[in-house]
Amino acid sequence: GQNIDQPTEMTATEGAIVQINCTYQTSGFNGLFWYQQHAGEAPTFLSYNVLDGLEEKGRFSSFLSRSKGYSYLLLKELQMKDSASYLCAVEANAGKSTFGDGTTLTVKP
Amino acid sequence: DGGITQSPKYLFRKEGQNVTLSCEQNLNHDAMYWYRQDPGQGLRLIYYSQIVNDFQKGDIAEGYSVSREKKESFPLTVTSAQKNPTAFYLCASSIFPGLDYGYTFGSGTRLTVV
Repeated sequence: GQNIDQPTEMTATEGAIVQINCTYQTSGFNGLFWYQQHAGEAPTFLSYNVLDGLEEKGRFSSFLSRSKGYSYLLLKELQMKDSASYLCAVEANAGKSTFGDGTTLTVKP
Repeated sequence: DGGITQSPKYLFRKEGQNVTLSCEQNLNHDAMYWYRQDPGQGLRLIYYSQIVNDFQKGDIAEGYSVSREKKESFPLTVTSAQKNPTAFYLCASSIFPGLDYGYTFGSGTRLTVV
């Protein structure tokens, strides 16, 4: 089976740094995705990790450790518009992703 | 501009009625997917298709049906056998194989049973 765990909620202050963790236990692994979803809207793609290590894209970075079944999304210089749900998803079988329940991030002034 | 179009945005279904949700993409993506999202939860896979005229059941396929007669289109029918259909339905597409850019999602259909 597939099991993906993320914290349900997090709160951070504008301008700060926040790290959202994701742990997974899946029957296969091709890669791990992070998506951002604003309330009532569709998810949008943020990052994709296949190999161990850190991938940086502007204010957002994503880290993967395959041996530990662990990933995190790092958001720097937080802005109010970063308030959203962040979904961790694992592609365990070719072309098919399993999603975690998401972490709702609230950014406060 | 390329993208995925879902319609309608809001849909109301009476008990015992079948309804069909539309999903069309002009991204030339091979693979298409249907996910269901309930409040405060992640996305659960209903059906997916990696090639025209072929589709596979996801984790919660009971009470749903799909077709993939054209590359661009992947409609989802919610049948009367689905006992709790009220949810947010998301259609997505991707290049297959190779998901370096993840899924592209449509804007979703919010289905409510009345």
